[in-house]
Amino acid sequence: KQEVTQIPAALSVPEGENLVLNCSFTDSAIYNLQWFRQDPGKGLTSLLLIQSSQREQTSGRLNASLDKSSGRSTLYIAASQPGDSATYLCAVHGNQFYFGTGTSLTVIP
Amino acid sequence: NAGVTQTPKFQVLKTGQSMTLQCAQDMNHNSMYWYRQDPGMGLRLIYYSASEGTTDKGEVPNGYNVSRLNKREFSLRLESAAPSQTSVYFCASSERSISSNSPLHFGNGTRLTVT
Repeated sequence: KQEVTQIPAALSVPEGENLVLNCSFTDSAIYNLQWFRQDPGKGLTSLLLIQSSQREQTSGRLNASLDKSSGRSTLYIAASQPGDSATYLCAVHGNQFYFGTGTSLTVIP
Repeated sequence: NAGVTQTPKFQVLKTGQSMTLQCAQDMNHNSMYWYRQDPGMGLRLIYYSASEGTTDKGEVPNGYNVSRLNKREFSLRLESAAPSQTSVYFCASSERSISSNSPLHFGNGTRLTVT
């Protein structure tokens, strides 16, 4: 069974700092990897999807990378803002979608 | 474009009661999913429907049943609710269940409490 791990579980940074969130997975036979944002009491909002044949995807201040052979993905957030405070989850799409438990990010003004 | 719509948003049940969670998507997606989210455990798949007319068990199907009513709608039924089913339930959809470019789209969730 695919295992997805996100470390750290929580992260607190001052506004303006660049940061990296990590996601690792055990089975490299995947179709894609997707990063989501979840605000308290809300659903999941898709941020980026990286197909298995791709190395990275960018959207605004966000950049996600994928190294399928080593089972790792990173989400880079540039110039963090208080509005970026949320929980970030990664999901690996194999025969099902497998989710990590998320990293709770707090950006301090 | 509403995306994925779930009803109700909140529900309180007593042990043994039954209820159905409704989900509808307007994106013409083939695949639909039901997840539950519990603190420290992440999202776990309850049931999914790869296409209209098919349903399959996920990781935690016990105590639940599903119906893919048509391409748009996928309902989740709790026949006899138990306190262990207290959770936040999310419905999701994707264009295809097996595809390299088929992202998941989520509803806003149903918060269920069983007393």
